[in-house]
Amino acid sequence: TQLLEQSPQFLSIQEGENLTVYCNSSSVFSSLQWYRQEPGEGPVLLVTVVTGGEVKKLKRLTFQFGDARKDSSLHITAAQPGDTGLYLCAGLPGYGQNFVFGPGTRLSVLP
Amino acid sequence: ETGVTQTPRHLVMGMTNKKSLKCEQHLGHNAMYWYKQSAKKPLELMFVYNFKEQTENNSVPSRFSPECPNSSHLFLHLHTLQPEDSALYLCASSQESWQDSNQPQHFGDGTRLSIL
Repeated sequence: TQLLEQSPQFLSIQEGENLTVYCNSSSVFSSLQWYRQEPGEGPVLLVTVVTGGEVKKLKRLTFQFGDARKDSSLHITAAQPGDTGLYLCAGLPGYGQNFVFGPGTRLSVLP
Repeated sequence: ETGVTQTPRHLVMGMTNKKSLKCEQHLGHNAMYWYKQSAKKPLELMFVYNFKEQTENNSVPSRFSPECPNSSHLFLHLHTLQPEDSALYLCASSQESWQDSNQPQHFGDGTRLSIL
């Protein structure tokens, strides 16, 4: 069974601070996705990374896929209250398989 | 509007009741999924349907019975549930379930289920 771990589990910061959350596994994934889930809603896809070492930017969010395709990070610059939510990573073990989700990092950005 | 609509949003039922959860997607997707989301646990994949055919049953107890009459609709029939089945049940869809590794999954907002 391929497992994904996410850290930290909880994070509470002030508006304007920077932060990084992590998604780690001992297994290799062919691609990895990051989702954000706000209270009372379903997860919404933020990004998909497929190449080892790949970096993608989405406004103030920077996503990186590890060189060995076993881990990923999400960096948020100048966090805003609208960034509050549960951040989930999901890895695809390989062709013909289904995504495996991590337990999530719950982020709270205080004004 | 997420394109994936789930009803009801909240459901409280006794252990002997029978109820159904409904999911409808308006995205023209061919694959649909049921997930269970419990506090502090990863999303658990329950069932996968691709072109109306069930392609995965992730060791889900028989008290959960899925139904996919067409590519746009997915149901989860519930009967004689246990208290540990209380959770958020999420439906998702994607273009196809395996042909493209970049397949984004579009989620509904879930049904919050409470078993008394």
